[in-house]
Amino acid sequence: AQTVTQSQPEMSVQEAETVTLSCTYDTSENNYYLFWYKQPPSRQMILVIRQEAYKQQNATENRFSVNFQKAAKSFSLKISDSQLGDTAMYFCAFMKPDDLIQGAQKLVFGQGTRLTINP
Amino acid sequence: GAGVSQSPSNKVTEKGKDVELRCDPISGHTALYWYRQSLGQGLEFLIYFQGNSAPDKSGLPSDRFSAERTGGSVSTLTIQRTQQEDSAVYLCASSIVGGQNQPQHFGDGTRLSIL
Repeated sequence: AQTVTQSQPEMSVQEAETVTLSCTYDTSENNYYLFWYKQPPSRQMILVIRQEAYKQQNATENRFSVNFQKAAKSFSLKISDSQLGDTAMYFCAFMKPDDLIQGAQKLVFGQGTRLTINP
Repeated sequence: GAGVSQSPSNKVTEKGKDVELRCDPISGHTALYWYRQSLGQGLEFLIYFQGNSAPDKSGLPSDRFSAERTGGSVSTLTIQRTQQEDSAVYLCASSIVGGQNQPQHFGDGTRLSIL
């Protein structure tokens, strides 16, 4: 079974600083997908960024980027020029593609990191 | 466009009562997922539906939990004889299936409180 570990329960940085959230996972699969989701107080889970394991290039989405180290099974999220609106819970998640039905598989989540951006 | 819709937003009920939680996925999304988020915890997979295939019920914590999806669209999660440990936020997600991996889109969840 796959497991996802986020070792930082809480983090706090000043606005405009750069922050990195850690995530490690355990799997015997060679092909899989990794995600970072953001959950603000509104409760809705919002997809921040995703990475396919077979792609060596790290994914980027504007101020968000990942450092994907497949051999180390590490998938950290870097937020550059942090903004007050980035304050939220951040969850790392793993998905193993179904062999028969691509994309229809459950997400395995880490415990989350509560990130606070201070003015 | 409309996202995943869940109702009710909040539900308070007495221990021992049955509850039904509803999820209306994004139109055209054939895969539907239920997750549970206990206070301060990550999300725990409960069940997912994909088209006409048999649902994956491997995450349901007990036989008091059941779910159905009628007509390949709306889904209802039912908890019978509720217990205090059932208190949590129940999140529903949907996705397109096929071709390149598609992300799951989440609703705002139902906060369930068992007194």
